[in-house]
Amino acid sequence: RKEVEQDPGPFNVPEGATVAFNCTYSNSASQSFFWYRQDCRKEPKLLMSVYSSGNEDGRFTAQLNRASQYISLLIRDSKLSDSATYLCVVKSNSGYALNFGKGTSLLVTP
Amino acid sequence: ETGVTQTPRHLVMGMTNKKSLKCEQHLGHNAMYWYKQSAKKPLELMFVYSLEERVENNSVPSRFSPECPNSSHLFLHLHTLQPEDSALYLCASSQSGINTGELFFGEGSRLTVL
Repeated sequence: RKEVEQDPGPFNVPEGATVAFNCTYSNSASQSFFWYRQDCRKEPKLLMSVYSSGNEDGRFTAQLNRASQYISLLIRDSKLSDSATYLCVVKSNSGYALNFGKGTSLLVTP
Repeated sequence: ETGVTQTPRHLVMGMTNKKSLKCEQHLGHNAMYWYKQSAKKPLELMFVYSLEERVENNSVPSRFSPECPNSSHLFLHLHTLQPEDSALYLCASSQSGINTGELFFGEGSRLTVL
């Protein structure tokens, strides 16, 4: 089983729509969770961390469900500039490795 | 402008060539990483250096040889590569000891092996 699994999409949504991505992870000892964003032909960049109680950053809301071992990202009022690949990232409490999912591709259309 | 710079940005090499990828970080971080990104696959961690000491080596073939001469520079030496090694090689840095999970990536070196 892959360590971090995501639906690759693509998700095609109109501007202003709300879209949600889910991600599951296999290692129950995982301690830290993140969403990264990667634009086409660019490097990944941290979008936001995911906290146990859920957290929000503007139009973006991240949730963690430890019992079911999944993480979600909700984007409200989608903008054209949100078009990118969203990478789910999980870290265990030991070592340096961040385990990346393959990413979910989002295309926001006018 | 990124705080992590990689050169060259593009590299084409034959299977018998020897080349090196270079990474430099200007962020004062003390951990540096090499990741491989292939189409349709997740980022794969190759090597991690913390305080210039290799701390992780993820079963990478010996045809990839990392070198970290100081905390700001990281190299990936390549020799007798295979066509399946063609990929985007991403360097990243972070401040070890801080569990923010934030890696700062360079723009990558796109490698094609003929």
